[in-house]
Amino acid sequence: QKEVEQNSGPLSVPEGAIASLNCTYSDRGSQSFFWYRQYSGKSPELIMFIYSNGDKEDGRFTAQLNKASQYVSLLIRDSQPSDSATYLCAVNTGFQKLVFGTGTRLLVSP
Amino acid sequence: EAGVAQSPRYKIIEKRQSVAFWCNPISGHATLYWYQQILGQGPKLLIQFQNNGVVDDSQLPKDRFSAERLKGVDSTLKIQPAKLEDSAVYLCASSSTVANTEAFFGQGTRLTVV
Repeated sequence: QKEVEQNSGPLSVPEGAIASLNCTYSDRGSQSFFWYRQYSGKSPELIMFIYSNGDKEDGRFTAQLNKASQYVSLLIRDSQPSDSATYLCAVNTGFQKLVFGTGTRLLVSP
Repeated sequence: EAGVAQSPRYKIIEKRQSVAFWCNPISGHATLYWYQQILGQGPKLLIQFQNNGVVDDSQLPKDRFSAERLKGVDSTLKIQPAKLEDSAVYLCASSSTVANTEAFFGQGTRLTVV
């Protein structure tokens, strides 16, 4: 079982819709969870992080964490074509070790 | 605040040759990571340093890859000899030692082995 799993996509949504990206992780001791966005040919950049169970909102983005189910998600409201990118879920499994999933490619059509 | 610096940006080498990548992390960041990202995949952690000590190198192919961070600041990743399957982007990232903080990435080095 991979440490961090994501559906590779692509996930296609129309402009203005909600995009829902999901991630599961295997290490129950994982402490913090990050969502990075990566445009083609660019480096990953942080969108959000979450440590506690529940929801965390930042503008159009909402991260959700359920430690019991070992599940993290990212919701993007009012999706824009500029949101088209690969979204990487990263998990801090302890001692600052940051493990990434394979990423989900999101396509937002005008 | 200056970001993570990496060089070179691009490198093309023949198989069996050697290559080295350099990374200078954000000032004050004790944790430094090297990731390998093959096209279409997520970043794979090769090695993690805290200051000049290795925290994790479980996925580093030690028969051909080596890395060092002698003074606890900048770092070098070397491949010798290179194989075709080493073609990838090599990403360096750094973070502070404050618990659960994010990692910041450099621009990466795109390696092509022919």
